[in-house]
Amino acid sequence: EAGVAQSPRYKIIEKRQSVAFWCNPISGHATLYWYQQILGQGPKLLIQFQNNGVVDDSQLPKDRFSAERLKGVDSTLKIQPAKLEDSAVYLCASSLSPGSNQPQHFGDGTRLSIL
Amino acid sequence: SQQGEEDPQALSIQEGENATMNCSYKTSINNLQWYRQNSGRGLVHLILIRSNEREKHSGRLRVTLDTSKKSSSLLITASRAADTASYFCATGQGAQKLVFGQGTRLTINP
Repeated sequence: EAGVAQSPRYKIIEKRQSVAFWCNPISGHATLYWYQQILGQGPKLLIQFQNNGVVDDSQLPKDRFSAERLKGVDSTLKIQPAKLEDSAVYLCASSLSPGSNQPQHFGDGTRLSIL
Repeated sequence: SQQGEEDPQALSIQEGENATMNCSYKTSINNLQWYRQNSGRGLVHLILIRSNEREKHSGRLRVTLDTSKKSSSLLITASRAADTASYFCATGQGAQKLVFGQGTRLTINP
């Protein structure tokens, strides 16, 4: 089966600019996650979708970050305006169903650098 | 917040040796998962152990879970150069939430 697809792989922007990331989960996976991984740390959950509804966005900085999954398949994550502290890898993952006992399948991420 | 704390933060061993990584956590969990991340890539699921299980095997991997000590260990036997990666534990908290630790960077020297 095809894995989780993410684009772009790399992005360099200046602070205060905006940026968007795209994710296509594994076909048939109802649950989609966006994680932020700062260098040397583990992934931190930003938002979790079940189909096109938000399950958990408690750690999403909502003043600058937004995410949507309009048709319950692809998803986009946007940052506007970007800050230096947003430099990180943004990982998308999907699972067949929600539940902490479900293995998650990750894409290779988008590496974001803020100048 | 990150729940699991891996120990050691970095580990370097010779090819063929066994590698052991530990994970400690603070709250009660439903399950614990281990993931591998190669440099520049996404995480790959390795193994899941439920809170009522004590030990699980998958190929060269052996995972133990001690809920009384709130700790887990991942043993990789007969290590290979391809095992060089970062390894993360992730604790299943409640029905939906999976929280990742900081990871152990494993280097296998030829």
